[in-house]
Amino acid sequence: DSGVTQTPKHLITATGQRVTLRCSPRSGDLSVYWYQQSLDQGLQFLIQYYNGEERAKGNILERFSAQQFPDLHSELNLSSLELGDSALYFCASNRGGRAYEQYFGPGTRLTVT
Amino acid sequence: DAKTTQPNSMESNEEEPVHLPCNHSTISGTDYIHWYRQLPSQGPEYVIHGLTSNVNNRMASLAIAEDRKSSTLILHRATLRDAAVYYCIPHAQGGSEKLVFGKGTKLTVNP
Repeated sequence: DSGVTQTPKHLITATGQRVTLRCSPRSGDLSVYWYQQSLDQGLQFLIQYYNGEERAKGNILERFSAQQFPDLHSELNLSSLELGDSALYFCASNRGGRAYEQYFGPGTRLTVT
Repeated sequence: DAKTTQPNSMESNEEEPVHLPCNHSTISGTDYIHWYRQLPSQGPEYVIHGLTSNVNNRMASLAIAEDRKSSTLILHRATLRDAAVYYCIPHAQGGSEKLVFGKGTKLTVNP
């Protein structure tokens, strides 16, 4: 158990819909990272937040957005969903800065039908 | 980001050592070499990291070539629980904190 929690575990929704994935980092961790894992693209970095501020952006679509709240939990919002958005979404956390090790949550499996 | 080359798959027997290679010939002088693994149906898990010297921890050892263009993750006695996809990730110190995952090596451990 990494100490990072993600909800929900599974999500099934239709094309065009909007969903919110939630992540609670390990106690004391300030940085949250979001990754997407699909069969064709592998594990890809989406976005990082550090203490409430966006720190780095990767291959995140404009239909996707994220935020980190004062209690440090984070939410990833996916809108206008397409079939190709079906994937595993992982959240990771660490202290940030020069902390090397990232702790990953169990993931949310999103299925878009 | 430095490019990595790993075998697509490897097989081992339980309780035998496993050497997982990684080529990272374009690595820069300040890149650390990280290894993560992903067990079936789980998120990635940190294994070990190093810069120049060989490193040991409770999970594995990391042997880094003198020219730093390759490294080897060593599992001293493989168990069934070590069956996973292993990722080698060069990571710049002080640079972007994101991890760039390649395709990794799928390790199968036979009982």
